[in-house]
Amino acid sequence: NAGVTQTPKFQVLKTGQSMTLQCAQDMNHEYMSWYRQDPGMGLRLIHYSVGAGITDQGEVPNGYNVSRSTTEDFPLRLLSAAPSQTSVYFCASSYKSSHRDGYTFGSGTRLTVV
Amino acid sequence: SQQGEEDPQALSIQEGENATMNCSYKTSINNLQWYRQNSGRGLVHLILIRSNEREKHSGRLRVTLDTSKKSSSLLITASRAADTASYFCATDEGYSTLTFGKGTMLLVSP
Repeated sequence: NAGVTQTPKFQVLKTGQSMTLQCAQDMNHEYMSWYRQDPGMGLRLIHYSVGAGITDQGEVPNGYNVSRSTTEDFPLRLLSAAPSQTSVYFCASSYKSSHRDGYTFGSGTRLTVV
Repeated sequence: SQQGEEDPQALSIQEGENATMNCSYKTSINNLQWYRQNSGRGLVHLILIRSNEREKHSGRLRVTLDTSKKSSSLLITASRAADTASYFCATDEGYSTLTFGKGTMLLVSP
């Protein structure tokens, strides 16, 4: 099993550009989430999904959009990139009950907006 | 907003010593989880303790949970240089997501 796969690993964008961060999991996990990690801030939740067709906002959703058309995929879209969105982005997934195995994280996407 | 707060922010020890990290949280939880993050990598799940459990062991890891004080501790015994990483606590409050603290940076010197 590949686990959680994130692409790309690195990306540089110009202010105002849009892009999609890809996330795919092959563990048949119901739950998927996107976090951003900034120095000294820990991980903050952007958006999450409890199943195909269902998404909801987290703590810092502004400037981001998500969709969940399949169980496996949960892409994160940056609508118009801003320097404040420079960060490391992590996708995570879990079974419906995190009691079972906790969350599995991808290796991250390091995004720089100039 | 941040739920868990780890203490200390940074910890430096010698190989063979024990490392203890603490986590405090604010609201009721279903479970509390600890994760490790090596520099530049994703987070790896270490151990999970449910709200009705008080202590749990996994190899060299020992986790305690005190729901009356809303706090947890992670003990790593006989630390190794390979344990050098950041450690995060995360709480499951039943909202289908995890809320993370800011982490403790552990440095284990040979």
